[in-house]
Amino acid sequence: SQTIHQWPATLVQPVGSPLSLECTVEGTSNPNLYWYRQAAGRGLQLLFYSVGIGQISSEVPQNLSASRPQDRQFILSSKKLLLSDSGFYLCAWSVRAAAFNYGYTFGSGTRLTVV
Amino acid sequence: AQKVTQAQTEISVVEKEDVTLDCVYETRDTTYYLFWYKQPPSGELVFLIRRNSFDEQNEISGRYSWNFQKSTSSFNFTITASQVVDSAVYFCALSDEKTSYDKVIFGPGTSLSVIP
Repeated sequence: SQTIHQWPATLVQPVGSPLSLECTVEGTSNPNLYWYRQAAGRGLQLLFYSVGIGQISSEVPQNLSASRPQDRQFILSSKKLLLSDSGFYLCAWSVRAAAFNYGYTFGSGTRLTVV
Repeated sequence: AQKVTQAQTEISVVEKEDVTLDCVYETRDTTYYLFWYKQPPSGELVFLIRRNSFDEQNEISGRYSWNFQKSTSSFNFTITASQVVDSAVYFCALSDEKTSYDKVIFGPGTSLSVIP
């Protein structure tokens, strides 16, 4: 069966420090991968998605970047965190299929607090 | 443009009451997919259902039921005999041809509180 792992679960980082959040998927190949952010009490904002190794689409201009060095690995990074980067970060995967969407499976999330 | 509206920001019900969460979507495509997700206090989003635009049959799964009506562009979610464990934020979502079906557009969510 497919599983998605996301870590760490919680993170407290000072302003200006770097960030690296990792997400890996097991039990599937060629998944679509996504990073979402959820600010406190608000909805889900798509940050990045990837349909293949090295292929990253950015949805909003921001202080973050994403990389996909391996088929089932998706990394969210920042060189210098801002207070506004605080939030709940969710990784998700979906089956890659033409003209179809099976829906997402989400990881357990990382709660990031920038202080 | 695609859009998902969940007009109910917060709902509170007493345990065992029925509750309906509304979802209205906008798309110009004829083929699209609709979803509901549940986000309990732990934070992880849980997939509940997927419905494609060609299947208007309503679905029931235990205490959960979904009413899909293309005529009103709605995909409403009803919980029968609500329980405290149903307390969560519920998101309705849409995927269509415009996004090559790769992306899902989420509504703002409805926060449901079930009071014992």
